[in-house]
Amino acid sequence: DGGITQSPKYLFRKEGQNVTLSCEQNLNHDAMYWYRQDPGQGLRLIYYSQIVNDFQKGDIAEGYSVSREKKESFPLTVTSAQKNPTAFYLCASRLAGGDTQYFGPGTRLTVL
Amino acid sequence: GENVEQHPSTLSVQEGDSAVIKCTYSDSASNYFPWYKQELGKRPQLIIDIRSNVGEKKDQRIAVTLNKTAKHFSLHITETQPEDSAVYFCAAIFQGAQKLVFGQGTRLTINP
Repeated sequence: DGGITQSPKYLFRKEGQNVTLSCEQNLNHDAMYWYRQDPGQGLRLIYYSQIVNDFQKGDIAEGYSVSREKKESFPLTVTSAQKNPTAFYLCASRLAGGDTQYFGPGTRLTVL
Repeated sequence: GENVEQHPSTLSVQEGDSAVIKCTYSDSASNYFPWYKQELGKRPQLIIDIRSNVGEKKDQRIAVTLNKTAKHFSLHITETQPEDSAVYFCAAIFQGAQKLVFGQGTRLTINP
């Protein structure tokens, strides 16, 4: 999982602003995922992508958007439509044909 | 629907004792069950996983058991140590969408 990077580590946003969280991996993994984690809660799936130029909504996609233009990159945009965006955001990736997901270090987003 | 239930939500044991965390899943077609350990503010780290063609897997002080008929699996930690204190998440893969669904987590505290 050392090959998955997320930036920034901490992010502060004013209400009404869109922000984009970066996720990059150099593991040559095909599938990538975005999860949201709230304090004391489990991981909830926002979006996932199995291949380049294709992605699917997860369980809590409203107020978020993604793109997958390159295999190694899967940025997440938190839009102003997301009413309660303060959370810890985790990106993960998986090799095609495998089941194991490996996580990046996370981005902690705080709305001021 | 896709669901993983995890119990207990908190667990406190004396150092040296054993800890057991249990999960149930909804999809009988699920065939991959990982366990992740998450320390405060860090990324989830895979500690052990099991596939549906085996009933038990061990790795030093950690073991996982799977009962496919009952659709439940458990994490067993023996000879617990202070560094085992963390939040543990179980998960199950849902093949229709190649995604993991996570349990709500168990906060394990090892008392010296």
